[in-house]
Amino acid sequence: GAVVSQHPSRVICKSGTSVKIECRSLDFQATTMFWYRQFPKKSLMLMATSNEGSKATYEQGVEKDKFLINHASLTLSTLTVTSAHPEDSSFYICSARAASGPHTDTQYFGPGTRLTVL
Amino acid sequence: SQKIEQNSEALNIQEGKTATLTCNYTNYSPAYLQWYRQDPGRGPVFLLLIRENEKEKRKERLKVTFDTTLKQSLFHITASQPADSATYLCALNQAGTALIFGKGTTLSVSS
Repeated sequence: GAVVSQHPSRVICKSGTSVKIECRSLDFQATTMFWYRQFPKKSLMLMATSNEGSKATYEQGVEKDKFLINHASLTLSTLTVTSAHPEDSSFYICSARAASGPHTDTQYFGPGTRLTVL
Repeated sequence: SQKIEQNSEALNIQEGKTATLTCNYTNYSPAYLQWYRQDPGRGPVFLLLIRENEKEKRKERLKVTFDTTLKQSLFHITASQPADSATYLCALNQAGTALIFGKGTTLSVSS
């Protein structure tokens, strides 16, 4: 149980294009999903917290107009990197927290999306 | 500001020994402390959660301790195996908030 998927797993795009990453909780409902970014040999850095049906809360220094987050249902959140540039190249990981059940304190992570902007 | 330190960036041990990883934190009073395993190019996988009112938790070969006075958690893997080689992340949070992660300790178990 508690499986989170991400799609795509890897994407290469040209500078200036937009990229959408999907995060789905497959076997549970998630009221809250989180988006993290991880650079090589660095820790996961929280970008934003999204609650189903409401606007995402962004961490300091994260541009909300550049990283658009939509949490349209209890099982799906999307992150769109708009007008991507090479410095946006990173490993993007989502996580979800169950709405009910014994593991509401735990976050379950997706497998990550490797974004490379040329 | 909140700070989480995992003292060793890398830890090398021999198969069969017990691996002990340390997590210290400052300027924070977490309700939960969690340990995750991360393999290269993959997302973190949840291992154990311990609450502020718990001193120790076990799961198979894993044991976690939580000392809120010392602001420290120890993570033990007994009878370690080469398959345990990975990066182990310590993470903290309050109820309902996002996890804050340490940088991780990369464990290498040699046969």
